[in-house]
Amino acid sequence: DTGVSQDPRHKITKRGQNVTFRCDPISEHNRLYWYRQTLGQGPEFLTYFQNEAQLEKSRLLSDRFSAERPKGSFSTLEIQRTEQGDSAMYLCASSPKAGMTYNEQFFGPGTRLTVL
Amino acid sequence: AQKVTQAQTEISVVEKEDVTLDCVYETRDTTYYLFWYKQPPSGELVFLIRRNSFDEQNEISGRYSWNFQKSTSSFNFTITASQVVDSAVYFCALSAGYKLSFGAGTTVTVRA
Repeated sequence: DTGVSQDPRHKITKRGQNVTFRCDPISEHNRLYWYRQTLGQGPEFLTYFQNEAQLEKSRLLSDRFSAERPKGSFSTLEIQRTEQGDSAMYLCASSPKAGMTYNEQFFGPGTRLTVL
Repeated sequence: AQKVTQAQTEISVVEKEDVTLDCVYETRDTTYYLFWYKQPPSGELVFLIRRNSFDEQNEISGRYSWNFQKSTSSFNFTITASQVVDSAVYFCALSAGYKLSFGAGTTVTVRA
């Protein structure tokens, strides 16, 4: 039984470059979430997918950010023209559609982005 | 809008002491869920407990217990007989739908 996985675990990039992160949720989970966590703060919601449909995007997600979940399985989060303020931990979580634990979100290990 | 406040930024205790973490929340929703997550130094958020807004019964699960009081909008969490492995950042979170709203976290350090 595997949990949520994220790749890469660490990414260092130069300002202005594009980066893409991948999240593989728990296989039977149809809901997928992205959060961003900056140092000393709790995670902040970015976006939510139910199957392949992106149902909500936070105002934190500027037009430089785009997320996809093309087949309702894995998801990617792309940041274009990175800025130093994008440096953070990007967390992915998934939850099942129904059942007793339907609103429990299971988190991956995160991708730590550093923009130089 | 939903808001979660964890007033304690850091707590340091000696092993075997009890630790109580405070959490106060704000929401206009009548149905909601409250959670506690643990984030060890490795960084991965680990789910600990969940409580729904209709169930104010306080419970104990192993060394963890919680005190949910709707009248004061509080959801406090206690670790009994703390151990060094309990050292982590603990987050309280609120959800009225699908997204979680987290507090800023409380760093717990348990010294041997």
